[in-house]
Amino acid sequence: DAGVIQSPRHEVTEMGQEVTLRCKPISGHNSLFWYRQTMMRGLELLIYFNNNVPIDDSGMPEDRFSAKMPNASFSTLKIQPSEPRDSAVYFCASSRSGSGSNEQFFGPGTRLTVL
Amino acid sequence: AQKITQTQPGMFVQEKEAVTLDCTYDTSDQSYGLFWYKQPSSGEMIFLIYQGSYDEQNATEGRYSLNFQKARKSANLVISASQLGDSAMYFCAMLNYGGSQGNLIFGKGTKLSVKP
Repeated sequence: DAGVIQSPRHEVTEMGQEVTLRCKPISGHNSLFWYRQTMMRGLELLIYFNNNVPIDDSGMPEDRFSAKMPNASFSTLKIQPSEPRDSAVYFCASSRSGSGSNEQFFGPGTRLTVL
Repeated sequence: AQKITQTQPGMFVQEKEAVTLDCTYDTSDQSYGLFWYKQPSSGEMIFLIYQGSYDEQNATEGRYSLNFQKARKSANLVISASQLGDSAMYFCAMLNYGGSQGNLIFGKGTKLSVKP
């Protein structure tokens, strides 16, 4: 079975450019999460969706960040315009609500570098 | 406030010995889950073990066991017979099933180094 798929795996861009990160959750999972990991702040939840609906976006740093989930098999996280402080590893994770533990399965992450 | 605390930034263990990684949590919810994830240098997050707040027995998964002490709000991970491949960052996380469901809260992590 395919796990959570993220693309690209690495992204290097210049300050001010738009960045789009993509995620395909595990088939059958109805919850999707976007996390950001930095050395300073550790792992932070940015936003999560349940049944394609954003439930909690309180972790989104500012208006430059936006996330969408147009269907059950695809989500995007967009940063526009990007800034050097956005450099981090961005993880997407998915889970199946009501499955007991609600274990979250993580994708491999996208390492974003903003110059 | 909901919080996960991992007090050990780094730990060393000799190969084949057991090691305990500490985790304490703070929550006002009665129903919650505790998770441990492993993050090797390659960067992926690997689920290791889960403990539900109502589970009476400590969770075990192979060489991993979770020492769950509810009154103390601790959920320490025990790795038996350490292997070189266990060298990684380990994160404790909590999920509250009441209120805002789905939000995993992570600790800062413990870097484990296994010495040959």
